Amino acid sequence: EPEVTQTPSHQVTQMGQEVILRCVPISNHLYFYWYRQILGQKVEFLVSFYNNEISEKSEIFDDQFSVERPDGSNFTLKIRSTKLEDSAMYFCANQGLAYEQYFGPGTRLTVT
Amino acid sequence: DAKTTQPPSMDCAEGRAANLPCNHSTISGNEYVYWYRQIHSQGPQYIIHGLKNNETNEMASLIITEDRKSSTLILPHATLRDTAVYYCIVRSQETSGSRLTFGEGTQLTVNP
Repeated sequence: EPEVTQTPSHQVTQMGQEVILRCVPISNHLYFYWYRQILGQKVEFLVSFYNNEISEKSEIFDDQFSVERPDGSNFTLKIRSTKLEDSAMYFCANQGLAYEQYFGPGTRLTVT
Repeated sequence: DAKTTQPPSMDCAEGRAANLPCNHSTISGNEYVYWYRQIHSQGPQYIIHGLKNNETNEMASLIITEDRKSSTLILPHATLRDTAVYYCIVRSQETSGSRLTFGEGTQLTVNP
């Protein structure tokens, strides 16, 4: 089965600091996604990315968030100034040929 | 995307078949039924999808009723590792690149 990887597995940061979450997607899969899951809540969509552009974003994805593919392979989510409520699991996903999505193992972000 | 309804929880004995139902009475003709699962705090995992025909892969079988208003995911021989939250999601492939919307899902507990 194709595999998406994410680093780090756990990130602890202080409120107001910038964090970058990294994802190595499946090669040749063109759609990328970020989701988050606050502890005990549903998985929520953040943003989708195709052809080096954001194709859709949710109301959660405000100006504090940004995404990019800095080197054509890795896919990053940046939170500019973290807030306590940004504490969550962040999942990267790739879309396959049948429009199914393959998720990474997630990064647990803890903002203190 | 059409709304889905799933029971909040189900139990199954190890080694028996687990049958997870999903209602999607407002499904439209171009919408597929996708199943994902999430084992505690891990990234959601794609299981199977279908349009109108029954489908089977190495993980599960998907039975879709003739009127397509409901479906059943079947895990033929459930193991303890199948304990997870199972999500039924209806989605059009014409909206490639669009978000997955996760509901509450069904918490399946496989008992020894």
